[in-house]
Amino acid sequence: GAGVSQTPSNKVTEKGKYVELRCDPISGHTALYWYRQSLGQGPEFLIYFQGTGAADDSGLPNDRFFAVRPEGSVSTLKIQRTERGDSAVYLCASSLTQAVFSGANVLTFGAGSRLTVL
Amino acid sequence: SQQGEEDPQALSIQEGENATMNCSYKTSINNLQWYRQNSGRGLVHLILIRSNEREKHSGRLRVTLDTSKKSSSLLITASRAADTASYFCATDRGNQFYFGTGTSLTVIP
Repeated sequence: GAGVSQTPSNKVTEKGKYVELRCDPISGHTALYWYRQSLGQGPEFLIYFQGTGAADDSGLPNDRFFAVRPEGSVSTLKIQRTERGDSAVYLCASSLTQAVFSGANVLTFGAGSRLTVL
Repeated sequence: SQQGEEDPQALSIQEGENATMNCSYKTSINNLQWYRQNSGRGLVHLILIRSNEREKHSGRLRVTLDTSKKSSSLLITASRAADTASYFCATDRGNQFYFGTGTSLTVIP
């Protein structure tokens, strides 16, 4: 597609439930990022994929959070046993990967998935 | 944890005035970028400045970078009501991006 697509746009769930959030990046973008944004805050890094593999998952807050990108395109962020503190907007972004020393990766973001845990 | 911090946290100006927001960061970087976020939307890339550059212009935007002070500023000239949004700086080291806390800009018509 023309942009980064995230579904669902809104998800309301009950504490303890399992949630999946989907991200469909721009075609051909090899790098994919998940961020979490709480109200009034900047995006907080969760995980970064290069192709199918998680190149950096150091931002995942705990083992209830997991993300996959099995074919190097669509990614799913999975949250088990949701807690009220997980309520936030989950943003996905993708980019073309440039050589590290030429710099210049630019992120294209989706509109986000707003998760509310009751 | 987030790498950057913007100040001020909030800024309110009259249409036509200039808006300046600042970003400080903690570690060495390859590039610094500025993004804009309208309420309820994703972030949109505005401008990128490389670590070996000191100033860059794009339309009504002017960005400066001082790597010795680990700081950057974004100037929006001749502001418009449509510039109302939150603005974030993002530092990148290779393929990892870290965002600041943002400046909320309100431009009053």
